[in-house]
Amino acid sequence: NAGVTQTPKFQVLKTGQSMTLQCAQDMNHEYMSWYRQDPGMGLRLIHYSVGAGITDQGEVPNGYNVSRSTTEDFPLRLLSAAPSQTSVYFCASSQGVRDQPQHFGDGTRLSIL
Amino acid sequence: EDQVTQSPEALRLQEGESSSLNCSYTVSGLRGLFWYRQDPGKGPEFLFTLYSAGEEKEKERLKATLTKKESFLHITAPKPEDSATYLCAVQAGNTDKLIFGTGTRLQVFP
Repeated sequence: NAGVTQTPKFQVLKTGQSMTLQCAQDMNHEYMSWYRQDPGMGLRLIHYSVGAGITDQGEVPNGYNVSRSTTEDFPLRLLSAAPSQTSVYFCASSQGVRDQPQHFGDGTRLSIL
Repeated sequence: EDQVTQSPEALRLQEGESSSLNCSYTVSGLRGLFWYRQDPGKGPEFLFTLYSAGEEKEKERLKATLTKKESFLHITAPKPEDSATYLCAVQAGNTDKLIFGTGTRLQVFP
């Protein structure tokens, strides 16, 4: 059972480039979300999805797009990378929408030069 | 505004020296409080969920408790392998979102 798988593990981009961070889960979870983790700030929610075809914004959505065409996959797209988006990105999933613990991937470490 | 504060930021313990980590929260209607452990270079790993004041959960050397304003993670006779960052998160009211604290970095020395 792989759980939540994120790719790539590391990435370096130049300012203005675009890229997609991949997230896949094999637990048939309805709820998926993307967080960024920065020193001293804790995990902050970027976007989330309560099921295929449904997405919504979190606390820090600007500069990021998401889509949820299948239950398993929830990619995060950076439209035009900026140095402020240098961070560690985590994808998570849970069985239900509320009150359920989230299962996290091991993150993508992204540097924007 | 919903808020979660964890203290201390960092804690150094000798092996066997018991202590507690604090998570205080201000939310409009608590749906659940979650504790996670995070090792360097890894994603958070779920430990406990607490739903109502007075509830307690235990797992090996860890025990989590909950009041109406805060939660404690008690670590009894810690070992070096308990070294990690411990994160607290709350889900409030009718929201679908988790609010995380900034974590407590625990180091246990032999």
